[in-house]
Amino acid sequence: DAKTTQPTSMDCAEGRAANLPCNHSTISGNEYVYWYRQIHSQGPQYIIHGLKNNETNEMASLIITEDRKSSTLILPHATLRDTAVYYCIVRVATRKLTFGQGTILTVHP
Amino acid sequence: EPEVTQTPSHQVTQMGQEVILRCVPISNHLYFYWYRQILGQKVEFLVSFYNNEISEKSEIFDDQFSVERPDGSNFTLKIRSTKLEDSAMYFCASSVDGNTEAFFGQGTRLTVV
Repeated sequence: DAKTTQPTSMDCAEGRAANLPCNHSTISGNEYVYWYRQIHSQGPQYIIHGLKNNETNEMASLIITEDRKSSTLILPHATLRDTAVYYCIVRVATRKLTFGQGTILTVHP
Repeated sequence: EPEVTQTPSHQVTQMGQEVILRCVPISNHLYFYWYRQILGQKVEFLVSFYNNEISEKSEIFDDQFSVERPDGSNFTLKIRSTKLEDSAMYFCASSVDGNTEAFFGQGTRLTVV
């Protein structure tokens, strides 16, 4: 699986958009970009995933660059409950998820 | 909303004892996984299971570990002879198929003393 690089930590003001970047410059054509988050020591929570196109769901938007070497997770209106560790993972279908250290997002009042 | 359920939420066991961690995956899911997270460390993959077989396993998943789907609804992880270093949060996950997102349970905190 391709390696991802994420900032160690980020801050965001409540109500503002949180933009979390991820670099995956060695991604292969058959690898998807997944985003999960983990609040405290709870189980990882699925957020969104995509292959080439931008994706949006009720939680977030995923913007993947045209060359697929990087992506951005956007939480449009961050709340205090969005404070968590966010993991960007590239994964071949049917294979395991390989978690890195992720980005600690802190949402401030 | 369907969810993955894990029991117990916390288990304390003596070193050398066998433990069984239990999971009820989401009902129409066909792929099942176990991950673990040692305190302060990354979430680590242990094993994936499909069609009553292990489809992938990590180096962590040695002969001390086994998985089973005993009755069509439960998915279990057995550790035969626990060590202190097995202390961790163990997460079960399931997905509809191997191509879709996996949903995780809330975990079992295993403490080996």
